[in-house]
Amino acid sequence: QQPVQSPQAVILREGEDAVINCSSSKALYSVHWYRQKHGEAPVFLMILLKGGEQKGHDKISASFNEKKQQSSLYLTASQLSYSGTYFCGTENSGSNYQLIWGAGTKLIIKP
Amino acid sequence: DAGVTQSPTHLIKTRGQQVTLRCSPKSGHDTVSWYQQALGQGPQFIFQYYEEEERQRGNFPDRFSGHQFPNYSSELNVNALLLGDSALYLCASSFKKNYGYTFGSGTRLTVV
Repeated sequence: QQPVQSPQAVILREGEDAVINCSSSKALYSVHWYRQKHGEAPVFLMILLKGGEQKGHDKISASFNEKKQQSSLYLTASQLSYSGTYFCGTENSGSNYQLIWGAGTKLIIKP
Repeated sequence: DAGVTQSPTHLIKTRGQQVTLRCSPKSGHDTVSWYQQALGQGPQFIFQYYEEEERQRGNFPDRFSGHQFPNYSSELNVNALLLGDSALYLCASSFKKNYGYTFGSGTRLTVV
């Protein structure tokens, strides 16, 4: 039931783009994206809802393909501050409050 | 505006003991969820409290219990500690569904 994230890790140069994918075997109601830096709390990035539009702010955006039960997080012109582990969390229905998290994607940005 | 506050930040307990972790939600939030995060893994949902009741529970044994107080703060209790309970315990608060969660910095529990 745990969503599968890919890649497991990615190393980029500052200014390059990255795509992180999240795939589920179950129908999804929503997908959350969070970033966690080492030793810190996860920070909410965005939520995508079934039937909703692609979300984004600044240079981070995401899409949600309900039919394929997949979501992708797009990081454009990456900055050093984007480094960390990115997690997707999924909810299976509107009446379900349990967020099921992927194993995470470690993103390293080098100057 | 204070975010989510958790205490203590670190804790060392002996196998078989009991532990209580505390969480104060972000101002304006009325829902508290607890997660267990092992090193290098994603958080695992323990349970969620709303209106002082457990609204939903994850796949954790009854040794894990919780409570929510009228001021929305919450406690996580773990009895009969096992070595495998060693982890980072995260508290997350929210206001309404579909608005995302605000996490605290967590309590690092080590069971020896």
